[in-house]
Amino acid sequence: GESVGLHLPTLSVQEGDNSIINCAYSNSASDYFIWYKQESGKGPQFIIDIRSNMDKRQGQRVTVLLNKTVKHLSLQIAATQPGDSAVYFCAENTLNTGNQFYFGTGTSLTVIP
Amino acid sequence: NAGVMQNPRHLVRRRGQEARLRCSPMKGHSHVYWYRQLPEEGLKFMVYLQKENIIDESGMPKERFSAEFPKEGPSILRIQQVVRGDSAAYFCASSQGAPNSNQPQHFGDGTRLSIL
Repeated sequence: GESVGLHLPTLSVQEGDNSIINCAYSNSASDYFIWYKQESGKGPQFIIDIRSNMDKRQGQRVTVLLNKTVKHLSLQIAATQPGDSAVYFCAENTLNTGNQFYFGTGTSLTVIP
Repeated sequence: NAGVMQNPRHLVRRRGQEARLRCSPMKGHSHVYWYRQLPEEGLKFMVYLQKENIIDESGMPKERFSAEFPKEGPSILRIQQVVRGDSAAYFCASSQGAPNSNQPQHFGDGTRLSIL
């Protein structure tokens, strides 16, 4: 089966610092990846996605890096704010075979004011 | 521009009763997915539907669970004869294109099902 996991279950950062959340995946055929943010009592919220033909993609205050060689994905949040406190999930899908997105367990980010 | 709408937000049932969870996808989305989430765990895929069709139900238990997405109205996840182990958060997601079209799924805020 698929395996999508996160290196650290929890992460605490000072407000204003940059945050890096990591994700490892096992399927070398995975070609589409999404980062979601989930706040307590809410559903996952789409943050940013990246296709396997790219190794970097930037959004507003967020950057996703993809290293296909080591099957690693990271989410960088610049100038972290208290509102960024949440659980962050990576999800992956495989073109042509994937009706399913496979989700990691999640990393809980706490921003210290 | 409403997102994915799920109701009820919270549902309490006694063992043996039926639970019905509803999901209205985002406007323009014809692909619907149901996921289950236990505390401090990731989302587990259950079923993928398009209008009037079940495309992939490989993640759904063979007994007691069923899903539909009729031509008119919301998608329904139905759990018959609920047991305590069914207690979880159930999330619905929708997308504009098929899962392998490299388009994101957008989620509702879930239904928290508690079995007494």
